[in-house]
Amino acid sequence: DTAVSQTPKYLVTQMGNDKSIKCEQNLGHDTMYWYKQDSKKFLKIMFSYNNKELIINETVPNRFSPKSPDKAHLNLHINSLELGDSAVYFCASSPKGVLGYTFGSGTRLTVV
Amino acid sequence: GQQLNQSPQSMFIQEGEDVSMNCTSSSIFNTWLWYKQDPGEGPVLLIALYKAGELTSNGRLTAQFGITRKDSFLNISASIPSDVGIYFCAALNYGGSQGNLIFGKGTKLSVKP
Repeated sequence: DTAVSQTPKYLVTQMGNDKSIKCEQNLGHDTMYWYKQDSKKFLKIMFSYNNKELIINETVPNRFSPKSPDKAHLNLHINSLELGDSAVYFCASSPKGVLGYTFGSGTRLTVV
Repeated sequence: GQQLNQSPQSMFIQEGEDVSMNCTSSSIFNTWLWYKQDPGEGPVLLIALYKAGELTSNGRLTAQFGITRKDSFLNISASIPSDVGIYFCAALNYGGSQGNLIFGKGTKLSVKP
């Protein structure tokens, strides 16, 4: 009954590959997010998405693309992986009109 | 862009001691939040502050929203070993459409039994 679940927990892949990270929330929240946490633990917003609007952080390379099949899912697809993409990626969600993001437990991506 | 300056970067304290950490910015925000992250997990919300000057407690945790709306602090009283983790301040300006949360760089807390 995990509120925000991400899969996989760990992902090791070679440079140049394409990979996806899945996120599902069962909270009925309207907005979902992807954050990147670097090796220094700095959390930075990548995307926010509700069923009407996708907001992209301008610093995110276009190799990263969020895909939302429905309101409860926001997957992250990454093309042509690079060494610098290695990080922990967190999915989060929040309800409309109420603050307090709920985070998933993260996906540790290692590009070799 | 907007930035939160969180200090200290790390703390190493004895069990039972009180802890204080703070976050400042050159920008004004209408919401401040404090999160804790345990190893291998995502951040978990501890306290949310919505009004300048607001002082809110959650058990041994107390946080305040600065009157200038540019800062916030978090205090932990009588620390225990399970307080170990990374504490993040976060802030946003909420109004109209949902704003995005920005985070400080975290304070790593270590507690010696």
